[in-house]
Amino acid sequence: DTEVTQTPKHLVMGMTNKKSLKCEQHMGHRAMYWYKQKAKKPPELMFVYSYEKLSINESVPSRFSPECPNSSLLNLHLHALQPEDSALYLCASSHPAGAGPDTEAFFGQGTRLTVV
Amino acid sequence: RKEVEQDPGPFNVPEGATVAFNCTYSNSASQSFFWYRQDCRKEPKLLMSVYSSGNEDGRFTAQLNRASQYISLLIRDSKLSDSATYLCVVIGFPPNQAGTALIFGKGTTLSVSS
Repeated sequence: DTEVTQTPKHLVMGMTNKKSLKCEQHMGHRAMYWYKQKAKKPPELMFVYSYEKLSINESVPSRFSPECPNSSLLNLHLHALQPEDSALYLCASSHPAGAGPDTEAFFGQGTRLTVV
Repeated sequence: RKEVEQDPGPFNVPEGATVAFNCTYSNSASQSFFWYRQDCRKEPKLLMSVYSSGNEDGRFTAQLNRASQYISLLIRDSKLSDSATYLCVVIGFPPNQAGTALIFGKGTTLSVSS
């Protein structure tokens, strides 16, 4: 099973709403990532969790709040977003760097978020 | 200097053509290297890992030159279905961060026409 499952696939939310994006994998990967992708741009790193601890926060605004409840799950809590936050949010997982030769990452299908 | 730089493209080639993409990375401590493919409005998918000895998968050949910090992807006998964006990806160290992450190049768009 090389699947990373993201829910929901599409989300429309108002600027005052609170919502959460969810990501799940059962490959035993201990590194999980959130990326944001705008149209015609490459994925932009937001957060990295390694062994369930936040290892990288790329100066993401606090209206985005990540959470890693266990080694299979990764959430992204959203609150008071702006229209410019509309994008495809991608979750990925991999073995942590240095944990072995197979460090390629697998991506979920993404959540297409529209903030109105 | 960007962590990972790629040919800007786009590349527009006829079916059957051979096309090469290049990529350079700035951090010599980078650990692993990949080519991903991304179709429009889809997630990136691993095309192939890249090893120092070079590796081939059918029509695709990837090369890594650690001394020059250079990665390449060669596609032979291009098919219409090869049309996509190709992303050079390095596992490296984002600036001012303690951990490692996948760092993406900007991607090169390939369009194969009949």
